[in-house]
Amino acid sequence: AQTVTQSQPEMSVQEAETVTLSCTYDTSENNYYLFWYKQPPSRQMILVIRQEAYKQQNATENRFSVNFQKAAKSFSLKISDSQLGDTAMYFCAFMYNAGNNRKLIWGLGTSLAVNP
Amino acid sequence: DAGVTQSPTHLIKTRGQHVTLRCSPISGHKSVSWYQQVLGQGPQFIFQYYEKEERGRGNFPDRFSARQFPNYSSELNVNALLLGDSALYLCASSLEGALNLFFGSGTQLSVL
Repeated sequence: AQTVTQSQPEMSVQEAETVTLSCTYDTSENNYYLFWYKQPPSRQMILVIRQEAYKQQNATENRFSVNFQKAAKSFSLKISDSQLGDTAMYFCAFMYNAGNNRKLIWGLGTSLAVNP
Repeated sequence: DAGVTQSPTHLIKTRGQHVTLRCSPISGHKSVSWYQQVLGQGPQFIFQYYEKEERGRGNFPDRFSARQFPNYSSELNVNALLLGDSALYLCASSLEGALNLFFGSGTQLSVL
């Protein structure tokens, strides 16, 4: 069974500083994808960054980057130059092929507060 | 372009009632998925539809059903509501085969 674990229920960071959110996963699949989604108080789930498991290079999107360690099954998110608008729930998610569709398994989330 | 739209935004029902939630995908997206997000947890997959056909079903009882219409909008129906059905119901749309899902703002269902 596929599982996603986020071990940090809550985190806080000062504005302009860097913070890293942790995620580990368990799977026997070889072909899969990893995501970080952000859910602000508006409740809409917003894609932050995506990593294909077959790619060795870590994904980067502006201030957001990941540290993907496939052997360790670890997928952490680094937010640089944190901004007040980064305050949100952050979910790590794992996607794999299941028959004729793809399944998305989610962690429990990390609540990030960016303090002024 | 409009994003994924869901209606209603909030809903209060009593135990035993039924509810219908609606979702309109982004124009051009033919795949719609439904997720249940209980407070303090990550979303749980309920259904996926593509071209009006069910592509996947999560571990939910038969009280949950869904359908997709020719214009690719979708409805999620829940019968015989239980207190435990109280949750945020999220709809996501995507292009067929695409990895990225685009979510609506959800319907907050409260069952009293």
